[in-house]
Amino acid sequence: EDKVVQSPLSLVVHEGDTVTLNCSYEVTNFRSLLWYKQEKKAPTFLFMLTSSGIEKKSGRLSSILDKKELFSILNITATQTGDSAVYLCAEAGGTSYGKLTFGQGTILTVHP
Amino acid sequence: EAGVAQSPRYKIIEKRQSVAFWCNPISGHATLYWYQQILGQGPKLLIQFQNNGVVDDSQLPKDRFSAERLKGVDSTLKIQPAKLEDSAVYLCASSLDRRPSSGNTIYFGEGSWLTVV
Repeated sequence: EDKVVQSPLSLVVHEGDTVTLNCSYEVTNFRSLLWYKQEKKAPTFLFMLTSSGIEKKSGRLSSILDKKELFSILNITATQTGDSAVYLCAEAGGTSYGKLTFGQGTILTVHP
Repeated sequence: EAGVAQSPRYKIIEKRQSVAFWCNPISGHATLYWYQQILGQGPKLLIQFQNNGVVDDSQLPKDRFSAERLKGVDSTLKIQPAKLEDSAVYLCASSLDRRPSSGNTIYFGEGSWLTVV
């Protein structure tokens, strides 16, 4: 059975700090790894990673995939209170793209 | 571009009652998904449609859950009879098609929050 594990489960930081969120996976037919941000509403798409070693970047957020070691990290620099959310990692594998296997999420709280 | 629409946003029912959730995907999206997200967990896929056909329903509890997408556009998810453990957010999502690519993002609706008491 495909499995995605995120760590830490929760994280509390102050504005301006840099955080690194981890995602490890065990899947039988890896296709891509996705990161989502979930506030008290729909998960919003952040990144899709398919190739090892290629960093994807969007503003203060960046992510990279290591297909040899089966993990991905999401970095957020200069955190802001608006970054407070649950960050979900998901693997899109199996026979169907949409069958995302999600991790349990990392709850990030950024204090002013 | 309009997003994925879901209704109702919130529902409270007693156990053994029935409930139905509706989803209208983004226009032109052939693939529609229903995910269940229990508090403190990541979403879990219940069923995936490609147009009006079922691609994957392996994790759908078919004794009480059913879903349809008769005309290949909007979809309904029904629970009958509901159990306490069905309390969750039911997220509908859609994508252009099933192929993974940088442009084929899965978009989620805001969810229907179900509480079974």
